[in-house]
Amino acid sequence: DGGITQSPKYLFRKEGQNVTLSCEQNLNHDAMYWYRQDPGQGLRLIYYSQIVNDFQKGDIAEGYSVSREKKESFPLTVTSAQKNPTAFYLCASSIGLQGGYTFGSGTRLTVV
Amino acid sequence: RKEVEQDPGPFNVPEGATVAFNCTYSNSASQSFFWYRQDCRKEPKLLMSVYSSGNEDGRFTAQLNRASQYISLLIRDSKLSDSATYLCVVTGGGTYKYIFGTGTRLKVLA
Repeated sequence: DGGITQSPKYLFRKEGQNVTLSCEQNLNHDAMYWYRQDPGQGLRLIYYSQIVNDFQKGDIAEGYSVSREKKESFPLTVTSAQKNPTAFYLCASSIGLQGGYTFGSGTRLTVV
Repeated sequence: RKEVEQDPGPFNVPEGATVAFNCTYSNSASQSFFWYRQDCRKEPKLLMSVYSSGNEDGRFTAQLNRASQYISLLIRDSKLSDSATYLCVVTGGGTYKYIFGTGTRLKVLA
């Protein structure tokens, strides 16, 4: 089955610690995205990548970093510079702008 | 003005009712429109694309009104399982971005 897999499902981060969220897809989609969702709010774009070895900042990129070394993988690192990282993180992929997104099941990050 | 606006609800309706949601968008050059469904603490899932001519999928009908810059979702014969948050998504218009509305919450009551 083709799909998009995020791991871990739940993640706890200590203050000052960097953590990396995994996102893998086997849909052969070129474009991949990272969104953040806070309670009662809409999805906000963190980073996106339309091709391998290229990525662009979204609306709230500060405190985050990404890489796109393989078409299938788009990991997100939440750095210690992100002051309020507790949120639900969603990875998505698409074949283009016309087809809609496929989302992973998300990672819930909590700072402890 | 927000790029995409939705009434947050909740819309509380009895089983079997017909319910409609609207979503307005600000970028007149937007080209693609979608409705997503999101269950509590889950990822959004594509419900349907919205085409200029309108489209129907079973009990769900989506419409686009470019002149007034809104899209709508109509759900007929509501089921308990339709209870969820419905997200409006707009894209295109020279930008890469999918813009998500904050969602409209629907509760179908027995």
